[in-house]
Amino acid sequence: ETGVTQTPRHLVMGMTNKKSLKCEQHLGHNAMYWYKQSAKKPLELMFVYNFKEQTENNSVPSRFSPECPNSSHLFLHLHTLQPEDSALYLCASSQDRGGTSGYQETQYFGPGTRLLVL
Amino acid sequence: KQEVTQIPAALSVPEGENLVLNCSFTDSAIYNLQWFRQDPGKGLTSLLLIQSSQREQTSGRLNASLDKSSGRSTLYIAASQPGDSATYLCAVRGYNNNDMRFGAGTRLTVKP
Repeated sequence: ETGVTQTPRHLVMGMTNKKSLKCEQHLGHNAMYWYKQSAKKPLELMFVYNFKEQTENNSVPSRFSPECPNSSHLFLHLHTLQPEDSALYLCASSQDRGGTSGYQETQYFGPGTRLLVL
Repeated sequence: KQEVTQIPAALSVPEGENLVLNCSFTDSAIYNLQWFRQDPGKGLTSLLLIQSSQREQTSGRLNASLDKSSGRSTLYIAASQPGDSATYLCAVRGYNNNDMRFGAGTRLTVKP
């Protein structure tokens, strides 16, 4: 285990449902990330939080809503998703975001949540 | 817009061979480049991170090089083992914090 956990590991939801993905890191890191990995596209960075503040939002639709209550926890709230949102959602953390040391930016990933939208 | 390409998409080699995976990027103004491995159904594991001022990084049997001017990085794996079988991804971070781009990966199979 990498010290980053994600729940649930698998999720099936209808387009009208509301669900949340949870990520927790036990590494004492200050930066956390959400990624989307679709079957036929490269891994895409969705959101970045550094010291609990959202620093980046890569033009993600508003049906995805992140929340970072503290530096150890990150949520992704989902509502009115589309079938094309089905993917593996990965969470990662690093010591911080934007340090001058490579060590600080090395990201540690969770196992992901496999999401299927029907 | 930064584009990251990895060649080949898939590679199969016998155990013990040395091999090279390639990553190219279109915009040389990068902050750093990372190599990851991903096992089926799992998250990514960071292997090596090269800052833009560096030319290479080494960890065990792995060596990653970076040539910013030509927009290329290589991951060299020495004496490959079946446990090296995985998908290898490279990711480039630009100076714009929104810009972190991944390649599609190279799926490596090392046959015993």
